Amino acid sequence: AQSVAQPEDQVNVAEGNPLTVKCTYSVSGNPYLFWYVQYPNRGLQFLLKYITGDNLVKGSYGFEAEFNKSQTSFHLKKPSALVSDSALYFCAVRDFSSNTGKLIFGQGTTLQVKP
Amino acid sequence: NAGVTQTPKFRILKIGQSMTLQCTQDMNHNYMYWYRQDPGMGLKLIYYSVGAGITDKGEVPNGYNVSRSTTEDFPLRLELAAPSQTSVYFCASSPRGVATNEKLFFGSGTQLSVL
Repeated sequence: AQSVAQPEDQVNVAEGNPLTVKCTYSVSGNPYLFWYVQYPNRGLQFLLKYITGDNLVKGSYGFEAEFNKSQTSFHLKKPSALVSDSALYFCAVRDFSSNTGKLIFGQGTTLQVKP
Repeated sequence: NAGVTQTPKFRILKIGQSMTLQCTQDMNHNYMYWYRQDPGMGLKLIYYSVGAGITDKGEVPNGYNVSRSTTEDFPLRLELAAPSQTSVYFCASSPRGVATNEKLFFGSGTQLSVL
């Protein structure tokens, strides 16, 4: 079965420091991977996706993610965190086992950026 | 541009009551989805639709029904509310669906409590 795991429930960083939100995946075949962010009382917003090509994917709001096939990881990164980055982050993988191509979401990681 | 609009934002139901969660989008997207979000569990797909008149079950359809009479609207019906249906519900849409690796556009959610 295909799955994603976000091993950290919460990540705390100081403003201005680099941040990493971790995601590992388990799929048969090539993974199609996504990151979404959820701000308080809002729906999820797309950040970036990896389909093929460069292992470093750049997305919205200065975020990027590094695809690592040998470690089956797709960690979200940002060089300098902002307080406004505080939110709930979801990693997702496309499910090829059904015709819907639906997304399988991780359980989410809360990012807290402190001034 | 309103995007995906969900109503109501909050609702409390008694066990056995019924209600409809409304979802409408003004982007002329063919694909629409209903997810539920439970704490620490990520998002689970309830139902989806690939166009007007066409719906299909997702991972957790029991206790729910949907209809898609127009491109714009995709209501979710709870017939006999149960405490297990306490959750946050998100509606999402995309032009050609997740199967083409397109991003999803989410509404702001409906927080439902069944007591």
